[in-house]
Amino acid sequence: QKEVEQNSGPLSVPEGAIASLNCTYSDRGSQSFFWYRQYSGKSPELIMSIYSNGDKEDGRFTAQLNKASQYVSLLIRDSQPSDSATYLCAVNWGSGGSNYKLTFGKGTLLTVNP
Amino acid sequence: DADVTQTPRNRITKTGKRIMLECSQTKGHDRMYWYRQDPGLGLQLIYYSFDVKDINKGEISDGYSVSRQAQAKFSLSLESAIPNQTALYFCATGGGGGRNTGELFFGEGSRLTVL
Repeated sequence: QKEVEQNSGPLSVPEGAIASLNCTYSDRGSQSFFWYRQYSGKSPELIMSIYSNGDKEDGRFTAQLNKASQYVSLLIRDSQPSDSATYLCAVNWGSGGSNYKLTFGKGTLLTVNP
Repeated sequence: DADVTQTPRNRITKTGKRIMLECSQTKGHDRMYWYRQDPGLGLQLIYYSFDVKDINKGEISDGYSVSRQAQAKFSLSLESAIPNQTALYFCATGGGGGRNTGELFFGEGSRLTVL
């Protein structure tokens, strides 16, 4: 059973703070990792993808990957109330270059307080 | 118009009824997926298809069937709905044309209630 675990939350941070979201996965063979954001009542949307060990930055978002520890995280700097949402970690289990089968974690609810 | 369209958006039905949820996409993607979302359980993969002739079971396929009528259309059926199939269902698409990034694009969801 391939598993993706996330902090269940909810996570509450003040506006302007750094929000840290964590995810672990069970299969060492996984090669690609994603963070999706889902606002209440809406569909998930991709905010970050990461494929190599280390950090990947995009604006206020930084994804961190450590394959040896089977750990991926998302940092949100200067958190805004508009960042309040559920964040879903997703891991690709598929074999081959195009056979993507994503398994999602249960999500972490983030609330940013003004 | 949405790139990934699901119909119906909301449906209330009774136990034992046959239900079909439809998904169509204008993104030209090869891969299509059906996920189910329950509160506190995240997204669970029901079925997926990498092209018109390729259908695969996901984590929770029991009680469901699918049909890939064309590259752009992927339908999910509940042959005999039961109350524990009450959930929010998402169709998603991805890939194609060398764009195998793993990114999925989701429809707006179909909320199904089985009484």
